[in-house]
Amino acid sequence: KAGVTQTPRYLIKTRGQQVTLSCSPISGHRSVSWYQQTPGQGLQFLFEYFSETQRNKGNFPGRFSGRQFSNSRSEMNVSTLELGDSALYLCASSGGLAGFPGSYEQYFGPGTRLTVT
Amino acid sequence: TQLLEQSPQFLSIQEGENLTVYCNSSSVFSSLQWYRQEPGEGPVLLVTVVTGGEVKKLKRLTFQFGDARKDSSLHITAAQPGDTGLYLCAGGTDSWGKFQFGAGTQVVVTP
Repeated sequence: KAGVTQTPRYLIKTRGQQVTLSCSPISGHRSVSWYQQTPGQGLQFLFEYFSETQRNKGNFPGRFSGRQFSNSRSEMNVSTLELGDSALYLCASSGGLAGFPGSYEQYFGPGTRLTVT
Repeated sequence: TQLLEQSPQFLSIQEGENLTVYCNSSSVFSSLQWYRQEPGEGPVLLVTVVTGGEVKKLKRLTFQFGDARKDSSLHITAAQPGDTGLYLCAGGTDSWGKFQFGAGTQVVVTP
């Protein structure tokens, strides 16, 4: 079974620009979560989508947004990029259905390394 | 915000030695997951523990969830260079898709 794929793997953008990152989950998985990973803050939760609906959102400004398509593929968008947005953006897929929210298993993609100059 | 503290931040050992990584919080988590991340890759799930006091073994790795579900430990016996990586613990919350991650423990095992 193919794993989680993320495109592009590397991206360099300039302050003020916007960027769109893509994530294709494992076949059959309906939940996609996005995380930002930086050396200083570690992994921080951005948002989670299940069957095209955002079920949860982390504490990030409105410049960060996402969506999920009917085939479960997900995109996240960052508008008006700032230097502090430089990070590894990870998406994780899961079946999304479990006994309780904290128990289901997430499978991460390799991430998109975003550098803002 | 439920915070998870990992210790130590960095661990360098020789092949064959044992090591333990700790993950602590003042909050209760519904589950505790451990991941290993290698440079340029995403985290790979090693184990999920959901019951207080639960112990799981995965070959040379032993994972324990504290009785009160506030802490966890990862013990590696006879470490090998292939165990090198960033070990992350993540606490499951009541919110879908939202796991609280610790800052990670960088483990380096030299031959």
